[in-house]
Amino acid sequence: QVQLVQSGAEVKKPGASVKISCKASGYTVTSYYMHWVRQAPGQGLEWMGIIYSSGGSTNYAQKFQGRVTMTRDTSTSTVYMELSSLRSEDTAVYYCARQYNGMDVWGQGTTVTVSS
Amino acid sequence: DIQMTQSPSTLSASVGDRVTITCRASQTFSSWLAWYQQKPGKAPKLLIYKASSLESGVPSRFSGSASGTEFTLTISSLQPDDFATYYCQQYDSYPWTFGQGTKVEIK
Repeated sequence: QVQLVQSGAEVKKPGASVKISCKASGYTVTSYYMHWVRQAPGQGLEWMGIIYSSGGSTNYAQKFQGRVTMTRDTSTSTVYMELSSLRSEDTAVYYCARQYNGMDVWGQGTTVTVSS
Repeated sequence: DIQMTQSPSTLSASVGDRVTITCRASQTFSSWLAWYQQKPGKAPKLLIYKASSLESGVPSRFSGSASGTEFTLTISSLQPDDFATYYCQQYDSYPWTFGQGTKVEIK
């Protein structure tokens, strides 16, 4: 069964960094691109970026350039998203999603709360 | 960036109703458009890809169409399980962008 399992909820202080993991199972992580999407409370979906399957290169939304880093560990089929210099506006649910015909498989989401 | 304008933002309907949600793009692109359904506290679920292709396992009451820069999601006969929020999303060019969402409520 194809699934993406994300790490648990995080509470961070402003200025800190958070690193979220997304472990893939049921398929080969090097065969599909992976995206990160976030959703602030009561708001819509916002695309953050992509990590490509071949070589692990990335493409980030301009809004997050300089603050976001997406990496992968092929040995554990895990993709990571690190967001730095957190501010209150980064409070959101963060999702990883596999690219196939759009985004066909999603993680369960990781809630990140930024609060002093 | 391609802006996706979705309407309406909220829709009140009854079980059995035919429901139509529209998404208008700020520029033309090929049919690289997807529709997702999201329920509270859950991840989005892919319904339609490439504007009109039904994702495997999705009921046939869902359909999508495209005309120029306008994309439409239709639910032919609304079922209790369909009350949710729906998003369109273009995947023609980066950054990928979503519509602002349409909440389908019980009338």
